[in-house]
Order: sequence, then C-alpha cells, then structure tokens
Amino acid sequence: LAKTTQPISMDSYEGQEVNITCSHNNIATNDYITWYQQFPSQGPRFIIQGYKTKVTNEVASLFIPADRKSSTLSLPRVSLSDTAVYYCLVGESGSARQLTFGSGTQLTVLP
Amino acid sequence: GAVVSQHPSWVICKSGTSVKIECRSLDFQATTMFWYRQFPKQSLMLMATSNEGSKATYEQGVEKDKFLINHASLTLSTLTVTSAHPEDSSFYICSASPQETFYGYTFGSGTRLTVV
Repeated sequence: LAKTTQPISMDSYEGQEVNITCSHNNIATNDYITWYQQFPSQGPRFIIQGYKTKVTNEVASLFIPADRKSSTLSLPRVSLSDTAVYYCLVGESGSARQLTFGSGTQLTVLP
Repeated sequence: GAVVSQHPSWVICKSGTSVKIECRSLDFQATTMFWYRQFPKQSLMLMATSNEGSKATYEQGVEKDKFLINHASLTLSTLTVTSAHPEDSSFYICSASPQETFYGYTFGSGTRLTVV
C-alpha cells in the first residue's frame, strides 16, 4: 500500500478556497486516490476519488498531475462546517480492499 | 446510496465484561467488512477484516481472542470486545462497500467504548 504524506494541519477563513496536497511517491499503476472527511466522533465520509487528471463533484475537486505522485484536494468557498480531518488514501479500487489511513490533515475554518 | 449502520453509538461497561458492537449494511450486501479503532487525536487503525462465512483476518498486534468478530450474514458483522479493560476504551468504526459498484467505502457512525 502506497504511503501518503499530508500536512498535519491547515487554517483557512470562511469563503476561501482550500487546497490540501497529498504526496504519494510510490503509487502503483492500479492505485486510485481517494479522499475522506471525518468530523469528531463520526465515521469518515467519502469525498472524492480519482485516477488521473481532474475529477470534480458537487463538493470538491481533485487534481492529479501526470506523474500521479501527488494529488490536491480543492474545497471551494469553505464554511465553518468544513472544519474536519481530511484523509488522503491510495490503493486499488475494490470492495474487498482494506484501507490504510495516514495521519490526515486537520482543517480549521475560521470566521 | 450505500448505508452502514453501527450500534450502539456509545457504551460504557465495567472492566472484565464483554461488549458487542453491530455493523449492518442496510441497502446492500457486503461480503467483506472492516473494523477500525481510533484513539483520540489519532488516525484510524485497521483491526481486522471480516469475511462472511469465514474467519476474520486480524492485523498484527490485534488479539483475535479479545476482539471476536462474527460475520454470519451478508449484512451483519459484529465485534465483541471480551474482558474489556480501560485501555480498550476507544472509538470503533466499521466500513463496507457494495460489491457491484465500488466507489468509495461507507463507514458506520462509530461506537464510543468507555471501560470503567
């Protein structure tokens, strides 16, 4: 399983765009990149998943460069409710695949 | 979308007693479910992989006789913490995913276990 490195914490203000970068230098050919969000005392929630280039959904965008050794989660116009821990995971897709969580990034959105 | 229900959401038990945590996939069948443990201010740590109809696979360092996992049906996995001690106090989370359309795992809401 590819190891990931993320910033431990980030601060932002309401209404700003937040970009959280994750490094995964030893990503394998079959690996996907997935981001989860976790609020205190709750289970993680799936945000977005991608393999290459750019993926966008209703809550976030995921940018993946051609070498796929890093990825950036972009949250547009954050609000106080986006304060949470964000985890970047790398691994093969599939329902029987176990997930290995790194340390995650604590995002704090300030008023 | 896929929903995973976990029960109870919190439990307090006395040292030496056992506690059972249930994880149910409400709208899909899950051959495989995963159990995680999370201590305060730390990341999730995989404890074991629960396989329907067969024995669970435990991660290194996790005592299989202490954390009993039963996956008797395609929609239910249970984790029983036996002879609980205060150091077992933690946040336990299960996860699963539909087989036919995988696009990210769904996690239960977690169970806060406090052993006193």
